[in-house]
Amino acid sequence: QQPVQSPQAVILREGEDAVINCSSSKALYSVHWYRQKHGEAPVFLMILLKGGEQKGHDKISASFNEKKQQSSLYLTASQLSYSGTYFCGFPPGSTGNQFYFGTGTSLTVIP
Amino acid sequence: EPEVTQTPSHQVTQMGQEVILRCVPISNHLYFYWYRQILGQKVEFLVSFYNNEISEKSEIFDDQFSVERPDGSNFTLKIRSTKLEDSAMYFCASRRTSGSVNEQFFGPGTRLTVL
Repeated sequence: QQPVQSPQAVILREGEDAVINCSSSKALYSVHWYRQKHGEAPVFLMILLKGGEQKGHDKISASFNEKKQQSSLYLTASQLSYSGTYFCGFPPGSTGNQFYFGTGTSLTVIP
Repeated sequence: EPEVTQTPSHQVTQMGQEVILRCVPISNHLYFYWYRQILGQKVEFLVSFYNNEISEKSEIFDDQFSVERPDGSNFTLKIRSTKLEDSAMYFCASRRTSGSVNEQFFGPGTRLTVL
């Protein structure tokens, strides 16, 4: 049930762009994206609810393809503060009472 | 801004001992969760709790685990007889309403070390 993310790790220079992909073998009602800095709790970035929906958050945006059971997170003009591990996650049912995080993507932005 | 709090921040225990991890969810939230994260690995769902009972639990949440909301504010995770492999970061989270559309707010975590 756990979503699979790719790539596992990426290193960027400041100002470069990155795409993180998340795919599930199960039907998705929604996709959540979180960022976790080393030694800290995951912090919510955004939820995508509908197939094809795209949302933005500063220079971080995401898309959700319900039919393909996939979501992608786009980071543009990356900043040092973007460094961390990014997790997608989804509740397998509509209640949201269970929640599965993806395998995680470690993003490092260097000057 | 309201936040989820957890105590202690770090707990060291001997194998076989019982530990209780404490969480204070955001006051108007109704759904509560525990997650585990072994160092360097993914965040794993343990259990969700609503209306004073478990809503869902994962296969990790076996008989050695229990959760409780002993009063109106605290939400606890008890591990009865700790094993070395229970060493991990434990996060509590809360959510205001039902449905898959609402975000969860995470506490800062408790690092459990079992010796």
